[in-house]
Amino acid sequence: GIQVEQSPPDLILQEGANSTLRCNFSDSVNNLQWFHQNPWGQLINLFYIPSGTKQNGRLSATTVATERYSLLYISSSQTTDSGVYFCAVVLTGANNLFFGTGTRLTVIP
Amino acid sequence: GAVVSQHPSRVICKSGTSVKIECRSLDFQATTMFWYRQFPKKSLMLMATSNEGSKATYEQGVEKDKFLINHASLTLSTLTVTSAHPEDSSFYICSATRGTFNTEAFFGQGTRLTVV
Repeated sequence: GIQVEQSPPDLILQEGANSTLRCNFSDSVNNLQWFHQNPWGQLINLFYIPSGTKQNGRLSATTVATERYSLLYISSSQTTDSGVYFCAVVLTGANNLFFGTGTRLTVIP
Repeated sequence: GAVVSQHPSRVICKSGTSVKIECRSLDFQATTMFWYRQFPKKSLMLMATSNEGSKATYEQGVEKDKFLINHASLTLSTLTVTSAHPEDSSFYICSATRGTFNTEAFFGQGTRLTVV
């Protein structure tokens, strides 16, 4: 089956630092989303990005579907950015999201 | 974005009882809803896909008789954990999409179930 690997698994940053999170997937996909799971478990939609580049404030994402990876950039990190970041993909021909392994981010003051 | 509401957010029940979790799309009609389960410090695992007016499709290894899913309308899907046991304790989260393919998914707040 499909594998969706995220790296790094854990990341500790000083407030104000920048970071890049990576999502590699093993099969052709039609859809890719990035989420932030807050400490209460809520999944917050960050990007719907099957291909190309998008930016939203301090966050931006790039998906290169032909090379089967996506990147999430966080600039000027804040303590409120802490939590787990998931990428999730929809396989070609399917309609459900398959979640990656996650990156746990901790931003310290 | 779209709003998906899940209720209750937290529930504690005794072994052997059943628990119903509701998932509602508040500002759109959800053709398809999905139910996921998440263990501590793990990723989300798909349990089943429900389409309005038809039987749910369960993932391999998920007991359909234990996890009953009903999608009676375009805005409501329910997950009932029947005869719950401590090993059913987990975080359950639903999602909904407007269309069937290539559409953004939105998630409810999740339900933390503890069976004692």
